[in-house]
Amino acid sequence: SQQGEEDPQALSIQEGENATMNCSYKTSINNLQWYRQNSGRGLVHLILIRSNEREKHSGRLRVTLDTSKKSSSLLITASRAADTASYFCATDANDYKLSFGAGTTVTVRA
Amino acid sequence: EAEVAQSPRYKITEKSQAVAFWCDPISGHATLYWYRQILGQGPELLVQFQDESVVDDSQLPKDRFSAERLKGVDSTLKIQPAELGDSAMYLCASSPRQSKETQYFGPGTRLLVL
Repeated sequence: SQQGEEDPQALSIQEGENATMNCSYKTSINNLQWYRQNSGRGLVHLILIRSNEREKHSGRLRVTLDTSKKSSSLLITASRAADTASYFCATDANDYKLSFGAGTTVTVRA
Repeated sequence: EAEVAQSPRYKITEKSQAVAFWCDPISGHATLYWYRQILGQGPELLVQFQDESVVDDSQLPKDRFSAERLKGVDSTLKIQPAELGDSAMYLCASSPRQSKETQYFGPGTRLLVL
């Protein structure tokens, strides 16, 4: 079963715009992670945020976590064509097993 | 940069046939995971190994699926017999002993069962 749910399912933006996607989950977590998957490829780890953190940055990525609402958001600033991919949130309930959502498909138009 | 290797990349088989997938994790990574990803969905964990031992195979359909990691390095996932519903991407991931939180994924094996 999948713990996380991403919203929206799909997102289309113009190059240079920001992209925001959200993730909601159901049970307590130790950390939440975001992964990117290019079409037909494996997943690439983007960023990890722990349950005692509220915000984290990595390059053009900004992740927030609200444990009271059991939700997280991923912001990609100044998007590029290379950001076209599916983005998944994954929760770790302190057992090193990840539970993934269904993902948000992002298309960046040139 | 070290990567997780998987083979084959693509496999087409007929139902009731046997298939096998191979994964070679990043050198030194103690934990190895097999996931199944159905088109349009996120990956779902099938089995987790710590060295050569199975940590969790609760989601592995054991009547037809088997997984092994005999020497604690590379791993094989087998399906026998394959069913139409097994068509999916099979992903292998590994994580280092000292930092188990982050998983490194291979390119996957896309299986099509006809």
